[in-house]
Amino acid sequence: GAVVSQHPSRVICKSGTSVKIECRSLDFQATTMFWYRQFPKKSLMLMATSNEGSKATYEQGVEKDKFLINHASLTLSTLTVTSAHPEDSSFYICSASVGANVLTFGAGSRLTVL
Amino acid sequence: GENVEQHPSTLSVQEGDSAVIKCTYSDSASNYFPWYKQELGKGPQLIIDIRSNVGEKKDQRIAVTLNKTAKHFSLHITETQPEDSAVYFCAADAGGTSYGKLTFGQGTILTVHP
Repeated sequence: GAVVSQHPSRVICKSGTSVKIECRSLDFQATTMFWYRQFPKKSLMLMATSNEGSKATYEQGVEKDKFLINHASLTLSTLTVTSAHPEDSSFYICSASVGANVLTFGAGSRLTVL
Repeated sequence: GENVEQHPSTLSVQEGDSAVIKCTYSDSASNYFPWYKQELGKGPQLIIDIRSNVGEKKDQRIAVTLNKTAKHFSLHITETQPEDSAVYFCAADAGGTSYGKLTFGQGTILTVHP
């Protein structure tokens, strides 16, 4: 079946640094990927829709300059948290559409900003 | 935009009992209603989904029902097992050509006691 690989699974960084999270579709091409943020014991909040070869579409309230999304190929989308601060600590999850609105999710990336 | 309400927030059952989780949605254009299981520290996994042209779908111990008129859908798990313990999320698509853009419910923490 369709597999989405997300890396790294855990990352700890110092305040003010930038962190890149990768989301790869391993056995299929994904023209559209989605990035979510999840706080402890909360639901998934859609941050942005990543489209291959074009600019990402951000949800209302999500700072595009803080959360940079690049979808340069049909199998890779990246999320860069720029100038990270402790309030950016969260669980970030990506998903890819495998057709007909069906999504496959990555395993998530736990970001801790000290 | 779409709004999805999920109840209950927590559900505790004895092994072998049935569990039912209910969701309502607001956008009559929604056509796709998936259910996800999320274990601690992992990404969501699709367990069953239903589309608007179907009223019920079953896969072994799991079933989903949809009432488009009332705009609600439910997850039914029969003969629950301890390994069913997890957080369950319902979701609804944005309708039309949303290409996988989903709105999630708040989640239900299911605990199955041996």
